[in-house]
Amino acid sequence: AQSVTQPDIHITVSEGASLELRCNYSYGATPYLFWYVQSPGQGLQLLLKYFSGDTLVQGIKGFEAEFKRSQSSFNLRKPSVHWSDAAEYFCAVGETSYDKVIFGPGTSLSVIP
Amino acid sequence: DAGVIQSPRHEVTEMGQEVTLRCKPISGHNSLFWYRQTMMRGLELLIYFNNNVPIDDSGMPEDRFSAKMPNASFSTLKIQPSEPRDSAVYFCASSTRAIQYFGAGTRLSVL
Repeated sequence: AQSVTQPDIHITVSEGASLELRCNYSYGATPYLFWYVQSPGQGLQLLLKYFSGDTLVQGIKGFEAEFKRSQSSFNLRKPSVHWSDAAEYFCAVGETSYDKVIFGPGTSLSVIP
Repeated sequence: DAGVIQSPRHEVTEMGQEVTLRCKPISGHNSLFWYRQTMMRGLELLIYFNNNVPIDDSGMPEDRFSAKMPNASFSTLKIQPSEPRDSAVYFCASSTRAIQYFGAGTRLSVL
């Protein structure tokens, strides 16, 4: 069965520091992969997606993620974090039918001024 | 497009009462999903529809929960009777081309 793990429940970084959020998935075929962000009191918003092709994908708000098939990973990165990036981040793997998505448990990001 | 619209944004009710949550998906999207989010259990998929037909309701916790999608522009999630453990944020999402778009959620408090 498909699954997504996010090893870090909570991460704290200083503003301006770099960020990497880890994600590992279990899926039989080449997966669709996503990162969503949830700000307090809001719904989830798509940051970026990987369907095929270039394994380094760019998203909104300066985020990027790299698909590594050999490691079954899709880690999210940002070179310089802003205070407004404090939020919950969800990695997800998509099934090919009906647009169903399996979400990871989420990583909560805090940013220190 | 206005995005996925959920109503109400907040609902406070007493145990035993019926609660109906509403969702208007983005026009042209073929799939619709209902999720529940709590601190303890995270984000749970309750049920999803494709072309207005329920595909998988295995995430619906109990028979007290039911969902309908009478047409492409409207869906409801009903809890009858409600219980305090149903308190959560309920999200609706619609999708196209494998991407899900979420509403702002309904925060339900059952007293």
